[in-house]
Amino acid sequence: GAGVSQSPSNKVTEKGKDVELRCDPISGHTALYWYRQSLGQGLEFLIYFQGNSAPDKSGLPSDRFSAERTGGSVSTLTIQRTQQEDSAVYLCASSEGQGGQPQHFGDGTRLSIL
Amino acid sequence: GQQLNQSPQSMFIQEGEDVSMNCTSSSIFNTWLWYKQDPGEGPVLLIALYKAGELTSNGRLTAQFGITRKDSFLNISASIPSDVGIYFCAGRYLDAGNNRKLIWGLGTSLAVNP
Repeated sequence: GAGVSQSPSNKVTEKGKDVELRCDPISGHTALYWYRQSLGQGLEFLIYFQGNSAPDKSGLPSDRFSAERTGGSVSTLTIQRTQQEDSAVYLCASSEGQGGQPQHFGDGTRLSIL
Repeated sequence: GQQLNQSPQSMFIQEGEDVSMNCTSSSIFNTWLWYKQDPGEGPVLLIALYKAGELTSNGRLTAQFGITRKDSFLNISASIPSDVGIYFCAGRYLDAGNNRKLIWGLGTSLAVNP
């Protein structure tokens, strides 16, 4: 499709398990963002990829969180040893060019940790 | 650190009424953004403002970048049922390392009574 695609749309897992969330950005978009949104809250920045530059990881809340972007396209956000406070909607966005803002968001992955 | 105060937190209005919401901060921003989020979807960028004093319209939506660079407002004229959703402001600034950062308000939830 033409938009940002995220999978899975919903994920339920047990505390302590690892999870991988996937984001397919719009083709040709060099910037990719991951955000976390808890119920009734605004968006919390996690990580930002721009082309071949080193990613801005300043928003990752702990070393259990990591993200990769392979070939400048698809990105995977990994959460290891999940905790209940990790439950949230994880949103991915992409945009063209550099220095812009997240323009196109996916519909998110709703993560529930039991 | 940087904080945004978005108000009102929620609004319930009659169809056809005008709506106004705003974001304020004690800090200066160089870009203001307004997004709308429908349930189960990612935010959609409505308006981007890049210059103090800038007034920009997008259909029935009008937003302004405050002259002090510390605030922005969004107006919706003649509201219709599909305006229902959560509206977020976001402000962009440069951090101490000269990196572009974006912070988000907590959203204004709009309900429209037809």
